Amino acid sequence: GAGVSQSPSNKVTEKGKDVELRCDPISGHTALYWYRQSLGQGLEFLIYFQGNSAPDKSGLPSDRFSAERTGGSVSTLTIQRTQQEDSAVYLCASSSSANDGNTIYFGEGSWLTVV
Amino acid sequence: QKEVEQNSGPLSVPEGAIASLNCTYSDRGSQSFFWYRQYSGKSPELIMFIYSNGDKEDGRFTAQLNKASQYVSLLIRDSQPSDSATYLCAVNAANFGNEKLTFGTGTRLTIIP
Repeated sequence: GAGVSQSPSNKVTEKGKDVELRCDPISGHTALYWYRQSLGQGLEFLIYFQGNSAPDKSGLPSDRFSAERTGGSVSTLTIQRTQQEDSAVYLCASSSSANDGNTIYFGEGSWLTVV
Repeated sequence: QKEVEQNSGPLSVPEGAIASLNCTYSDRGSQSFFWYRQYSGKSPELIMFIYSNGDKEDGRFTAQLNKASQYVSLLIRDSQPSDSATYLCAVNAANFGNEKLTFGTGTRLTIIP
């Protein structure tokens, strides 16, 4: 597609439920990133994919968080047993090869509210 | 020490003046540096990137990099009300093969008409 596409754009869920957030990167981009941004805060790195593998998943806050990427394209971020502190906007981004100097482009985000 | 530090602001600048945004980083091996603009409720959008020491100009925007001082800045000339946003500084992690960008918390800029 023309840009990074994320779904759902908004999600309200009850505490304890699982949620899945989807990201469809820019066509041809091999690198895919998940960031989290809480209200009024900066971007917190979660995980990075190069192709289908995740060289850096150091930012995942707990074992309730997991992510996968299949076919070198779409990625899913799953949050199990959601907690109120998980409320944030989850931003996906993609970039082409390393030679592109890490110019990454963001989707519009998935706004998650845990009640 | 945070990896990427910015003054959170708010920074208020009169319309038509120069806005100066600053950022310092802790990893001396960092190679590439980015400025993103984020309007309230929107996702970040890339404004400029810079790799080499010195200045890089693009329209009303100038990025300045000083690797010795671990300092990168963004100047906005002839500031417009539409420039009011949060500006995020981002730095490439220096580890080979790790393409992660580390972001600062952003500086909120308000242009006063």
